[in-house]
Amino acid sequence: ETGVTQTPRHLVMGMTNKKSLKCEQHLGHNAMYWYKQSAKKPLELMFVYNFKEQTENNSVPSRFSPECPNSSHLFLHLHTLQPEDSALYLCASSPGASGGVNIQYFGAGTRLSVL
Amino acid sequence: GESVGLHLPTLSVQEGDNSIINCAYSNSASDYFIWYKQESGKGPQFIIDIRSNMDKRQGQRVTVLLNKTVKHLSLQIAATQPGDSAVYFCAENRGGSQGNLIFGKGTKLSVKP
Repeated sequence: ETGVTQTPRHLVMGMTNKKSLKCEQHLGHNAMYWYKQSAKKPLELMFVYNFKEQTENNSVPSRFSPECPNSSHLFLHLHTLQPEDSALYLCASSPGASGGVNIQYFGAGTRLSVL
Repeated sequence: GESVGLHLPTLSVQEGDNSIINCAYSNSASDYFIWYKQESGKGPQFIIDIRSNMDKRQGQRVTVLLNKTVKHLSLQIAATQPGDSAVYFCAENRGGSQGNLIFGKGTKLSVKP
């Protein structure tokens, strides 16, 4: 257990569906992240939240919509996705970005398949 | 770039041997580095980190070496065990206020019994 829990672990959705991924961290961290992990690319940072405020959007298409209601929870809302969005979506948390070492701890991910 | 799955650099070692996994980074301003291990079906797991003002850091069965001159990082695993089989990623923190990490290509380590 890493202290970061993601649900669901697996998700299959059609291109017209709307679904949400959930991430919860029990580490008392202040920063949370969404990453995309595809088969042929390095880990891609999507969004960063610090103290519930979005501090980075790494040119992610608007069909991905993050939400961070508090420092412990992070959501990724999905709508009208494309088959190329199929990937492993990883959530991570870290103590907070203020310089110095900021180790990120990852959840197990949600394996998403878009049909 | 390449990641988990197809076309990953692969290192195959015999159980009990030492493993060395290498990583090159690009930004001389990066101030610390982290090694992660990712097993099948799991997210990346923190192994060890090193600050840029250090050359070497040791953990339990693992050692990280940093050569800033050539921007090279290595992870050494002593007495490799079957449970060490996984994909290993290095990540660099490029400084700045966000503390965001840039991940390198993974290396798949296979341990033969």
